[in-house]
Amino acid sequence: QSALTQPASVSGSPGQSITISCTGSSSDVGNYNYVSWYQQRPGKVPKLMIYDVTNRPSGISNRFSGSKSGNTASLTISGLQAEDEADYYCTSYTSSNTLVFGGGTKLTVL
Amino acid sequence: QVQLVESGGGVVQPGRSLRLSCAASGFTLSTYGMHWVRQTPGKGLEWVAVTWYDGTKEYYADSVKGRFTISGDNSKNTLYLQMNSLRAEDTALYYCGRGGTHVWLIEYWGQGTLVTVSS
Repeated sequence: QSALTQPASVSGSPGQSITISCTGSSSDVGNYNYVSWYQQRPGKVPKLMIYDVTNRPSGISNRFSGSKSGNTASLTISGLQAEDEADYYCTSYTSSNTLVFGGGTKLTVL
Repeated sequence: QVQLVESGGGVVQPGRSLRLSCAASGFTLSTYGMHWVRQTPGKGLEWVAVTWYDGTKEYYADSVKGRFTISGDNSKNTLYLQMNSLRAEDTALYYCGRGGTHVWLIEYWGQGTLVTVSS
């Protein structure tokens, strides 16, 4: 159950687009579409942003989008805003009937 | 609206036991998969366990298998995590989470309860 690999940090200026990658293996991301993304602001509870690779829950801005290619899933945030500054975590179902999280990515809005 | 309220955390010595509770409201426990996830202060998230909506299946992370047990009491609409043989590395903020359109999606999260394992 190795953690999914995410960059430790990404940054962007307001209005720009950024992409956060989440790399796993054929035992998780590569073979299942149960990939979710969570936003966690300091001192707050994780918030679901994307589920099943590409789906947005009700109320989540369409500036957030998800995709997957091979063993790597990605979260793209377009039109970056100051309020997007947070930690982002990916998670995937695995062939061992478990969930595995990524190590998290700190997004800084410059 | 969906609410999850964890309780039962505290300071416990290594090797001892603790039971966490998660009181659910706004939905019926028996219709959703339920999870426990933990987060070490200042660090990332680690999935701990899941129980099926009907209680027929449960799965655990390798790090807790054989020591932790997830269960639910539908009459109280409450989820539990029985933690035995606690270790220092189990120190974390423990969240309960509710499944969504499928068991492997954590759609709603509680506020968490802090467990500190220390002598």
